[in-house]
Amino acid sequence: DSGVTQTPKHLITATGQRVTLRCSPRSGDLSVYWYQQSLDQGLQFLIQYYNGEERAKGNILERFSAQQFPDLHSELNLSSLELGDSALYFCASSDPTGGVGNTIYFGEGSWLTVV
Amino acid sequence: AQSVTQLDSQVPVFEEAPVELRCNYSSSVSVYLFWYVQYPNQGLQLLLKYLSGSTLVKGINGFEAEFNKSQTSFHLRKPSVHISDTAEYFCAVSGGGGSNYKLTFGKGTLLTVNP
Repeated sequence: DSGVTQTPKHLITATGQRVTLRCSPRSGDLSVYWYQQSLDQGLQFLIQYYNGEERAKGNILERFSAQQFPDLHSELNLSSLELGDSALYFCASSDPTGGVGNTIYFGEGSWLTVV
Repeated sequence: AQSVTQLDSQVPVFEEAPVELRCNYSSSVSVYLFWYVQYPNQGLQLLLKYLSGSTLVKGINGFEAEFNKSQTSFHLRKPSVHISDTAEYFCAVSGGGGSNYKLTFGKGTLLTVNP
């Protein structure tokens, strides 16, 4: 158990809909990352938040947005869903104050199926 | 920009045989290198990481990796594999520094250990 909690574990929704994925980082971790894993694209970095502020942006679509709340949990919002958004979405956390090369801990992921 | 190439998408081996999973990276700055493992229906777990110092890094479950700066490689090895090592293995790189510790992953190598 990495200490990173993601909900829901599985989600099936229709095209055009909107969903929210939730993540609770490890206790004390200030950074939260979101990754998307799909068969064709592999593991893609979406976005990073540090202590409530956006710090880095990757291949995140405009239809997607995220935020990190004062209690450090994070939500990833996916809207106008398309079939191609079906993937495993990982949340991860780390504590940058722990020094260079600090370990990033991953949750078990949220499986999103768009039908 | 950083990139990671895992040279083999699938590696089948017999139990108790040695295995090497190959990883090459590309980066214009000093990097930190990681190997993660993903067991079926689970999240990613850190196997080992290279930050600095000794080029031979030992990790969990008997795995080790060797950093070779001249060949920009970070190959993962295990002298004798078990059935339970069957999983997908991901090589990753991060640039370190500041608060941006995002990982760039390779496409993964599926290790299948057969009896």
